[in-house]
Amino acid sequence: GEDVEQSLFLSVREGDSSVINCTYTDSSSTYLYWYKQEPGAGLQLLTYIFSNMDMKQDQRLTVLLNKKDKHLSLRIADTQTGDSAIYFCAETPPNDYKLSFGAGTTVTVRA
Amino acid sequence: DAGVIQSPRHEVTEMGQEVTLRCKPISGHNSLFWYRQTMMRGLELLIYFNNNVPIDDSGMPEDRFSAKMPNASFSTLKIQPSEPRDSAVYFCASSLLGGDEQFFGPGTRLTVL
Repeated sequence: GEDVEQSLFLSVREGDSSVINCTYTDSSSTYLYWYKQEPGAGLQLLTYIFSNMDMKQDQRLTVLLNKKDKHLSLRIADTQTGDSAIYFCAETPPNDYKLSFGAGTTVTVRA
Repeated sequence: DAGVIQSPRHEVTEMGQEVTLRCKPISGHNSLFWYRQTMMRGLELLIYFNNNVPIDDSGMPEDRFSAKMPNASFSTLKIQPSEPRDSAVYFCASSLLGGDEQFFGPGTRLTVL
């Protein structure tokens, strides 16, 4: 399988921007995803980006994709306490159902 | 729609006992996935069903694990006999088609003593 790597922890002050980084190894990946997991809950799809895009913005979320470096990032503007969660990066190759997840980044928002 | 439904939400059992986890996918979805989440190994895909047929069970850890999908609205994951190392959160997810967005259930937290 292919590896998806993320840093494990991020602490950010309320109101600041959060940037979560991810690297992947499968250059054929079609879609790259960001999932959010709140305590005691399942994973919720936050956003995704198609591999032929460089950037996608959705309200407070900005996804940047550097396909050359196989680097994906998620920026959360004006981070709120409700953004405290584990964020998973995931990829899927073309015509495949398998999601390869990173280990998850635990984001803690402090007042 | 109520989303993916899993039961029970929490299960505590003793080593050697049989454990059955249940999942009801979103109506109309034809793909169903079982995942296991642990601190050590993160999220692992155990098995994938398409149109009620198991397509990929390569992630099932060993023969103690089995999964069934008797119809489009119900699936079970059974562990027999259970062992302490099976303690984890088990997620069920469904999608409209195999490569589409997966919707996750709330998970079943299993503790084997």
